[in-house]
Amino acid sequence: TQLLEQSPQFLSIQEGENLTVYCNSSSVFSSLQWYRQEPGEGPVLLVTVVTGGEVKKLKRLTFQFGDARKDSSLHITAAQPGDTGLYLCAGGVSGYSTLTFGKGTMLLVSP
Amino acid sequence: DADVTQTPRNRITKTGKRIMLECSQTKGHDRMYWYRQDPGLGLRLIYYSFDVKDINKGEISDGYSVSRQAQAKFSLSLESAIPNQTALYFCATSTGPTRTSGSGYNEQFFGPGTRLTVL
Repeated sequence: TQLLEQSPQFLSIQEGENLTVYCNSSSVFSSLQWYRQEPGEGPVLLVTVVTGGEVKKLKRLTFQFGDARKDSSLHITAAQPGDTGLYLCAGGVSGYSTLTFGKGTMLLVSP
Repeated sequence: DADVTQTPRNRITKTGKRIMLECSQTKGHDRMYWYRQDPGLGLRLIYYSFDVKDINKGEISDGYSVSRQAQAKFSLSLESAIPNQTALYFCATSTGPTRTSGSGYNEQFFGPGTRLTVL
């Protein structure tokens, strides 16, 4: 059974600060996805990384897939209140399998 | 217009009642999923379907059943609801690796969720 551990579980910061959240596993994944979930809504896909060492940027968000494809990180530069939400990582072993979700990091950005 | 819709959005029911949650999608995806979300436990897969004739149990299927009525419709039933089934329920869709569109990595598109309370 593949498990994904996310840390920290909760993060409360001020607007303008930088932050990094982590997604770690002892298993190898063929892909790693990040989702953001806002209160009262379903998760929304932010990015998919598939190559070891891959880095993808989405405006102020930078996603990295570990070289061994067992871990990933999400870095947010100059966080804004609109970044508030639950960040979930999810890993897939193959295109024929289901996804394994981490429990999430709840981010609160205060003005 | 929402691509994945769920009805109802909120439901309060009593122990022992039969409940059906419905999911419809206009994305044309073959794969559909039901998850439940509980504080501190994350998203857990209940059932999934890779096409109309395919139904598979997820990690927490006990007490639940599903029906895939068409490519676009996937419903979840609680045969006899109990209080520990109180949770947020999400339906999701994805393409499969044989599709020409999409990366084949099961990127999932979620509905808005149903908040179910069992008293």
